Amino acid sequence: DAGITQSPRHKVTETGTPVTLRCHQTENHRYMYWYRQDPGHGLRLIHYSYGVKDTDKGEVSDGYSVSRSKTEDFLLTLESATSSQTSVYFCAIRPDRPLRDEQFFGPGTRLTVL
Amino acid sequence: AQTVTQSQPEMSVQEAETVTLSCTYDTSENNYYLFWYKQPPSRQMILVIRQEAYKQQNATENRFSVNFQKAAKSFSLKISDSQLGDTAMYFCAFIFIQGAQKLVFGQGTRLTINP
Repeated sequence: DAGITQSPRHKVTETGTPVTLRCHQTENHRYMYWYRQDPGHGLRLIHYSYGVKDTDKGEVSDGYSVSRSKTEDFLLTLESATSSQTSVYFCAIRPDRPLRDEQFFGPGTRLTVL
Repeated sequence: AQTVTQSQPEMSVQEAETVTLSCTYDTSENNYYLFWYKQPPSRQMILVIRQEAYKQQNATENRFSVNFQKAAKSFSLKISDSQLGDTAMYFCAFIFIQGAQKLVFGQGTRLTINP
């Protein structure tokens, strides 16, 4: 158990509304990631973070922003949600004490944009 | 850019049979890792097995083993003595060792184990 929680676990919202998803870890690892999962695409990287206030874009970052003001929290924001952002969102961490290469995932958030 | 391809969208076998899931990848890098993740109906992503590209020996974890062919860029997963609990989506994934280590996933294979 890598101590990763995501909130909310499910959310239904309307097009044009802002949405923030939260990822929380209990072990203060440096690297955190946000992925989205869609049928036929597997998981695709949205944004990642390598420390407090250090973030970078992934493969599908358009329409998303992130923030990391504390080591334990990594927030994903949809400034104005669209139906194409209906997806399952996963947060992941890469342990760095000791350093590991694999990533461990949170339980996921199912987001529906109507 | 790295890509990962899983050519079998769905597979189905009987309990206790052996099943092999295919994965190919494309990269110009030489130092990387490969993984298989399992996603049961609970949606949780579970690491099944990993393989370091510099190791020639194929990784094994209990009933799970891989056939890693670096020159062919192939990384298949073999599940022996399959069990009902193996029913899940299986994702092959690639990671480049240096830098931020961003995972690149295949499209997934939905595996059903029938009683």
